[in-house]
Amino acid sequence: AQTVTQSQPEMSVQEAETVTLSCTYDTSENNYYLFWYKQPPSRQMILVIRQEAYKQQNATENRFSVNFQKAAKSFSLKISDSQLGDTAMYFCAFRSNAGGTSYGKLTFGQGTILTVHP
Amino acid sequence: DTGVSQDPRHKITKRGQNVTFRCDPISEHNRLYWYRQTLGQGPEFLTYFQNEAQLEKSRLLSDRFSAERPKGSFSTLEIQRTEQGDSAMYLCASSLASWDDQGDTGELFFGEGSRLTVL
Repeated sequence: AQTVTQSQPEMSVQEAETVTLSCTYDTSENNYYLFWYKQPPSRQMILVIRQEAYKQQNATENRFSVNFQKAAKSFSLKISDSQLGDTAMYFCAFRSNAGGTSYGKLTFGQGTILTVHP
Repeated sequence: DTGVSQDPRHKITKRGQNVTFRCDPISEHNRLYWYRQTLGQGPEFLTYFQNEAQLEKSRLLSDRFSAERPKGSFSTLEIQRTEQGDSAMYLCASSLASWDDQGDTGELFFGEGSRLTVL
């Protein structure tokens, strides 16, 4: 079974600064996806960024980028030029891409509450 | 497209009562998932449907829980004889993929959730 661990329950950052959220995972599989989802207060969870394990290049989406270290099973999220709207709970998630009975379900970490201060 | 919608958004009930939640996925999505999220924790997988077939149930889903997706569109999650430990946010998500995962980007689209409080 896969596990996902986020060791930072809470983080804070000043507006326009950069912050990095940590995530580690444990799996015996070689083919999988990793995700960062954002859950703003009282709003639905939305996808921030996705990484396919077979791709060596780190994914980037505008101000969001990841540092994917496959051997270390580490997947951190860097938010540059933080904005007030980035305040949310952030979840790291794992999805097997091995087919079979995975059916696309996600395994989530415990989450990190990020607060961006003006 | 209005996204994934869930109803009711909030439900307060007394211990021992039955509750039912409804999820309407994005219309063309064939996969539907239920997750449970307790305060300050990440969502935990409960069950999954491909069209109308319920293909996987978590061990978290006791026999008091039942989920259906009768026509492969909306889904319901019923909790019978509720307990205080059932208090949580129940999240529904949907996606589109074939049986062999072709066309599946991996992204799940979530609703805003149904918050259950059992007194």
